[in-house]
Amino acid sequence: GENVEQHPSTLSVQEGDSAVIKCTYSDSASNYFPWYKQELGKGPQLIIDIRSNVGEKKDQRIAVTLNKTAKHFSLHITETQPEDSAVYFCAAPTGGFKTIFGAGTRLFVKA
Amino acid sequence: DTEVTQTPKHLVMGMTNKKSLKCEQHMGHRAMYWYKQKAKKPPELMFVYSYEKLSINESVPSRFSPECPNSSLLNLHLHALQPEDSALYLCASSQDPSGGSGETQYFGPGTRLLVL
Repeated sequence: GENVEQHPSTLSVQEGDSAVIKCTYSDSASNYFPWYKQELGKGPQLIIDIRSNVGEKKDQRIAVTLNKTAKHFSLHITETQPEDSAVYFCAAPTGGFKTIFGAGTRLFVKA
Repeated sequence: DTEVTQTPKHLVMGMTNKKSLKCEQHMGHRAMYWYKQKAKKPPELMFVYSYEKLSINESVPSRFSPECPNSSLLNLHLHALQPEDSALYLCASSQDPSGGSGETQYFGPGTRLLVL
């Protein structure tokens, strides 16, 4: 089955700096890679996703890159702001309806 | 409307109580999910319904009983829970079950459950 590893578990950056979170997956058949942001007291919310037919996708300050050969994908947040502070989860499908989540990265953006 | 709603937001129950969690979506999604999330952990899949039929049960104890009365509603019936069942219970939905796990899942805010 699918296994998703996420690093780092905690990331602290200064406001305005960039943040990068990395994930690796094991199932070479996986073809969809979402990133979720979970704020305190809320459910995870999709912030960006990428499918296996592209290598990079960008949405304003957020970008995701995918390396299918190496089986890893990364979330890049530029010009971080205090409101970016949250827990971020990567995820990958593992057949049928199952989605496996990474362990999560707690991002702190210091003002 | 891209919202999944869940009620109640908080629930405290004793080990002998029976309670139900409710989830609703009006996006026309045909796949609905229950997840359990412990503090500082990722969501763990419990159940998946596809076209109102149970598709996946991740070996969840029978004290958790899901129900999908129609395509917009999903319930989770709770009975004789244990303190270790205390967690955030998340509901999610996705558009087309034929897309499997390649479909975006939309999560509700969750029900925070405390079992005493």
